[in-house]
Amino acid sequence: DIQLTQSPSFLSASVGDRVTITCRASQDIRTFLAWYQQKPGKAPKLLIYAASTLQSGVPSRFSGSGSGTEFTLTISSLQPEDFGTYYCQHLNLYTWTFGHGTKVES
Amino acid sequence: QVQLQESGPGLVKPSETLSLTCSVSGDSIRNDYWSWIRQPPGKRLEWIGYIYSSWRTNYNSSLKSRVTISADTPKNQFSLKLTSVTVADTAIYYCARGTPRCGGDCHPLDYWGQGTLVTVSS
Repeated sequence: DIQLTQSPSFLSASVGDRVTITCRASQDIRTFLAWYQQKPGKAPKLLIYAASTLQSGVPSRFSGSGSGTEFTLTISSLQPEDFGTYYCQHLNLYTWTFGHGTKVES
Repeated sequence: QVQLQESGPGLVKPSETLSLTCSVSGDSIRNDYWSWIRQPPGKRLEWIGYIYSSWRTNYNSSLKSRVTISADTPKNQFSLKLTSVTVADTAIYYCARGTPRCGGDCHPLDYWGQGTLVTVSS
């Protein structure tokens, strides 16, 4: 099975900072990757799919890039509502795998 | 607006069967991929499986021997059964919709239920 490794596991940042999270796949997954944001006690929220396509309604400060085995999620200017945990997900047709998460905290 | 709502017992005894239902409004479960995902307290998300076209299923290989996902199309609901549960199955269980993107080759989860905590304990 394909494994996803996120780094860092924890990230301390301030409002206005540029934040970058990396997700590495154990095999080539082309661009079949999504990013989610989860806040405590809430369900995850889809941010980006197909590695770089912004989900409707998601602020443009979020962006994704990468293909193959290395992917990044970037928040260009961190806002107070952006603190939470971010997960990448492999979107292969047959097996869906999540990364272990990156907690962004102040 | 698509809405999903999980329902079912919050406490299950070890070795018994966990049963949950997801009620969907705003979309037909005949369309899209309807999924179950769980999250043990403080841990990562784990995909359990999905159902599409009302009856086709695909499961996480690590859970496949214990999982059944089925659909009740007249009620627009889909269900999860997980047999022979242990304390390791204690988690928040989410249902979610996978919508076709990437020309139909990927199905990101764009709508989620609020989640329901299921505790396995005697």
